[in-house]
Amino acid sequence: EADIYQTPRYLVIGTGKKITLECSQTMGHDKMYWYQQDPGMELHLIHYSYGVNSTEKGDLSSESTVSRIRTEHFPLTLESARPSHTSQYLCASTGGWSTDTQYFGPGTRLTVL
Amino acid sequence: GENVGLHLPTLSVQEGDNSIINCAYSNSASDYFIWYKQESGKGPQFIIDIRSNMDKRQGQRVTVLLNKTVKHLSLQIAATQPGDSAVYFCAENVGRGSTLGRLYFGRGTQLTVWP
Repeated sequence: EADIYQTPRYLVIGTGKKITLECSQTMGHDKMYWYQQDPGMELHLIHYSYGVNSTEKGDLSSESTVSRIRTEHFPLTLESARPSHTSQYLCASTGGWSTDTQYFGPGTRLTVL
Repeated sequence: GENVGLHLPTLSVQEGDNSIINCAYSNSASDYFIWYKQESGKGPQFIIDIRSNMDKRQGQRVTVLLNKTVKHLSLQIAATQPGDSAVYFCAENVGRGSTLGRLYFGRGTQLTVWP
């Protein structure tokens, strides 16, 4: 079982609200990722980080932003949520030069009304 | 992104039978492949991986086969159990070590096990 945590697990909010999805891992992994996944569909990379103070945008355009001030913490923020942001958000991490296996958190199911 | 996909979106098997889930990829430079299992409401869980210098790898009740000639990956589950019911994703890695080691995911196959 990977030690990667996401909070909240479920979030229902109104349009225009600012939200932050939390992701933390206790494995000391350098690389962390955020994916967006609609039900039954593939995962789309929206943000990733090589390490502290490193953030990059992924393949899928997203209005969210991320930060990486500490190794273990990789929060994702939406300044003004919209119904189109309704989705599942998955955080993952990987560490070491010899492994590329990504370990996933349980996800946050976001619903914007 | 890379073209990583699965041939069948759904697969139904009887408990105790063997399951085979297939995946095709398009990038011949991919050197690492992973199978994930995702149960409803949960994040993907690592099942088994294989590097491109191998063509077969076995785990507990699972076997992954890699055919680089036709860019095909398969996951075999022996004696399928109800607890195996989930969506299965294959993912490929293009670039490792000093690069990020991006993973590209396919659409997933929903495996349903009936008694």
